[in-house]
Amino acid sequence: GAGVSQSPRYKVAKRGQDVALRCDPISGHVSLFWYQQALGQGPEFLTYFQNEAQLDKSGLPSDRFFAERPEGSVSTLKIQRTQQEDSAVYLCASSPGLALSYEQYFGPGTRLTVT
Amino acid sequence: QKEVEQNSGPLSVPEGAIASLNCTYSDRGSQSFFWYRQYSGKSPELIMFIYSNGDKEDGRFTAQLNKASQYVSLLIRDSQPSDSATYLCAAQRGDSNYQLIWGAGTKLIIKP
Repeated sequence: GAGVSQSPRYKVAKRGQDVALRCDPISGHVSLFWYQQALGQGPEFLTYFQNEAQLDKSGLPSDRFFAERPEGSVSTLKIQRTQQEDSAVYLCASSPGLALSYEQYFGPGTRLTVT
Repeated sequence: QKEVEQNSGPLSVPEGAIASLNCTYSDRGSQSFFWYRQYSGKSPELIMFIYSNGDKEDGRFTAQLNKASQYVSLLIRDSQPSDSATYLCAAQRGDSNYQLIWGAGTKLIIKP
């Protein structure tokens, strides 16, 4: 079946612009994660959804970052007033279960470059 | 600060040899540990997970966990050029059943 998809794959934004990154998880997956991966680093947790509920947003770097999953499937990560330090790959992952005993399946990521 | 530490490498291993990748973690509450492989420009994919002290084998891969020493390793036997990638170690955050703390990864190069 189809895996996790993300769009756009690449996004160039001028500093100060708002961006919206989309994630389509595997159908039926309950859990959805957003990560930020800087060049040469591991992923950093941003936020976690269980169905439509955002259970944890402790990793969001600032109040410029906002995520939603209104119907428990597609999720959008929005970054307002982008800054250069927001440049990174944003990864979305979904999982069929509620805990780490279930594998996380990653999308291809969105590479955001802020100029 | 909860951390997972890995040697960034690159680790160069001849084809057919055993590659040994190591990881230490600081959160004593961590119970689950994961090894992901990430090819350049691609997303991470799960290789193995381990919960219990000792060894866990899956094909050419063996994960080893020593909770007393807060140490996790991944052995790859009969290394192939297709194993060349960055290997990410991740530990469950001790106060969460879903959040992972990730290392920066070790770049592995298998030389033909």
